[in-house]
Amino acid sequence: QQQVKQSPQSLIVQKGGISIINCAYENTAFDYFPWYQQFPGKGPALLIAIRPDVSEKKEGRFTISFNKSAKQFSLHIMDSQPGDSATYFCAASIGYGGSQGNLIFGKGTKLSVKP
Amino acid sequence: DVKVTQSSRYLVKRTGEKVFLECVQDMDHENMFWYRQDPGLGLRLIYFSYDVKMKEKGDIPEGYSVSREKKERFSLILESASTNQTSMYLCASSLGGQVSPYEQYFGPGTRLTVT
Repeated sequence: QQQVKQSPQSLIVQKGGISIINCAYENTAFDYFPWYQQFPGKGPALLIAIRPDVSEKKEGRFTISFNKSAKQFSLHIMDSQPGDSATYFCAASIGYGGSQGNLIFGKGTKLSVKP
Repeated sequence: DVKVTQSSRYLVKRTGEKVFLECVQDMDHENMFWYRQDPGLGLRLIYFSYDVKMKEKGDIPEGYSVSREKKERFSLILESASTNQTSMYLCASSLGGQVSPYEQYFGPGTRLTVT
């Protein structure tokens, strides 16, 4: 029930296309859903995050869509660029501080954007 | 900018050696974490700490221990390194409390090879 399931494991998109990565969860107590981006040789960094009181959040070319009833959320990258090539992790969390603030990560999606 | 530094980028150790991985954060964060990252398995939490001298087991603590004597420093210890502990190790920190508690800031990682 603590798992976050992420798909696909890898994704190849042409430059200018739309990249879509999906995540699903079971625990309805999760109340924070971030996406992290990791470039080779670097640690993950927060890209965008959403709370369950909204269905969509957009920051530039990156959008999170959230479906509370289906317990699913997804990352959409519009006009994908070769510089977006990275590994993307979805995550979920409960509550504040202590062990309840821990992030549960999906297994990651390796995105390659072809020029 | 939050900075999380890890003592080594690459480390090669022999089976049975005691290994210390050091992590330092400079933003007075309450929470600190150690993960290992393996292809296809994502980020798995080893140990975390939400206060000095406090530690809690994550999902895969076996074969590891931690130490947090000062707020800014969190050490991961492999008591007797084994080949199955060859991995990328990532340290992270987060603010804690009830103000933006969730975002985790990651270090660049230490790639450990045990031969």
